[in-house]
Amino acid sequence: KAGVTQTPRYLIKTRGQQVTLSCSPISGHRSVSWYQQTPGQGLQFLFEYFSETQRNKGNFPGRFSGRQFSNSRSEMNVSTLELGDSALYLCASSLTSGSSNEQFFGPGTRLTVL
Amino acid sequence: AQRVTQPEKLLSVFKGAPVELKCNYSYSGSPELFWYVQYSRQRLQLLLRHISRESIKGFTADLNKGETSFHLKKPFAQEEDSAMYYCALKGSSYKLIFGSGTRLLVRP
Repeated sequence: KAGVTQTPRYLIKTRGQQVTLSCSPISGHRSVSWYQQTPGQGLQFLFEYFSETQRNKGNFPGRFSGRQFSNSRSEMNVSTLELGDSALYLCASSLTSGSSNEQFFGPGTRLTVL
Repeated sequence: AQRVTQPEKLLSVFKGAPVELKCNYSYSGSPELFWYVQYSRQRLQLLLRHISRESIKGFTADLNKGETSFHLKKPFAQEEDSAMYYCALKGSSYKLIFGSGTRLLVRP
């Protein structure tokens, strides 16, 4: 079974631009969660989508948004990029939302904002 | 507030020595606790969860509700255990809250 895939793997943007990151979950998984990983703040939860609905949201500004499609693929969008948005963005999928479902992580997208 | 604290950024031990990676949490209800591991150039992956009460790769972790701790232990460290270890908590909102991580370095 193929693992979680994320595209692109690396991205360089400038301040003020917007970016869209993509995540394809493991086949059959319906929940997708997004995390931001930085040296200073560590791993921080962004949001979770299940059956095309946002189920949970972390403490990030509205510039960070996402969506999920009917095939469970998910996209994350960051508008008006700031230097502090430079990070590794991780996506994780699980069978369903909540409870003790194991989350399987993708390799991440490394975003650099100049 | 839900919080996970891993007090050690780096833990260095010699091969064959016991290992204990500390994790303390703050949560008012009954949490689910996990240990995730990231080996060099690999993805973050689940190592173990407290509800399974299992031993994975020789590692065990016991939930101590009185001390609000979930320390990860292994009696004899191996060089291949060198990795970044993250403790994580899942509360009623089902969000996964991670600690800042501890880098374990096992020296030969």
